[in-house]
Amino acid sequence: DVKVTQSSRYLVKRTGEKVFLECVQDMDHENMFWYRQDPGLGLRLIYFSYDVKMKEKGDIPEGYSVSREKKERFSLILESASTNQTSMYLCASITGQGGNEQYFGPGTRLTVT
Amino acid sequence: DAKTTQPPSMDCAEGRAANLPCNHSTISGNEYVYWYRQIHSQGPQYIIHGLKNNETNEMASLIITEDRKSSTLILPHATLRDTAVYYCIVRDLGSSNTGKLIFGQGTTLQVKP
Repeated sequence: DVKVTQSSRYLVKRTGEKVFLECVQDMDHENMFWYRQDPGLGLRLIYFSYDVKMKEKGDIPEGYSVSREKKERFSLILESASTNQTSMYLCASITGQGGNEQYFGPGTRLTVT
Repeated sequence: DAKTTQPPSMDCAEGRAANLPCNHSTISGNEYVYWYRQIHSQGPQYIIHGLKNNETNEMASLIITEDRKSSTLILPHATLRDTAVYYCIVRDLGSSNTGKLIFGQGTTLQVKP
């Protein structure tokens, strides 16, 4: 059974903290994605990566960075968390060879107080 | 990627067919129509995709009009577990394909007993 796992389902952090959200996939997929989901705004792409050490900005990269040191792992980093980064964060992956199905993790609900 | 338009919400009686429409009037020849759904508190899940022919799998059927400007996702016998937000997405599978998906607001389908 294919899997995308995220390190936490729920996370509470304080303003100004550095936050790491981890995502791991076991399908040997080349492409990985980070989205955030907010009521009324839907899913928005933050960053994606199509290979190890490669990254591309999505639609809302400000305030975030990413790291992809190994193919199976894609990390989202909030350098200095702010309250407007309170959101649901979803990781996804897809094979780079014309894959059709993007697989999503269960999500991490982050609250910044 | 072309934009899609979906009704914000729909109801369906349990056991009946649910027909979810989607308009994609600016779709180009290389773009496929994809459907995902998101059950509450979970990540989105792939359902089906197609280019111009009708498609069917174990979850649903996809009917695409001849001019490809609209499509309908059909859940033949809706159950309470099909209550979810359904997203219609158009995606170019050309050489620059990264698997990136652009989500709209989707249709919230409520299946009622």
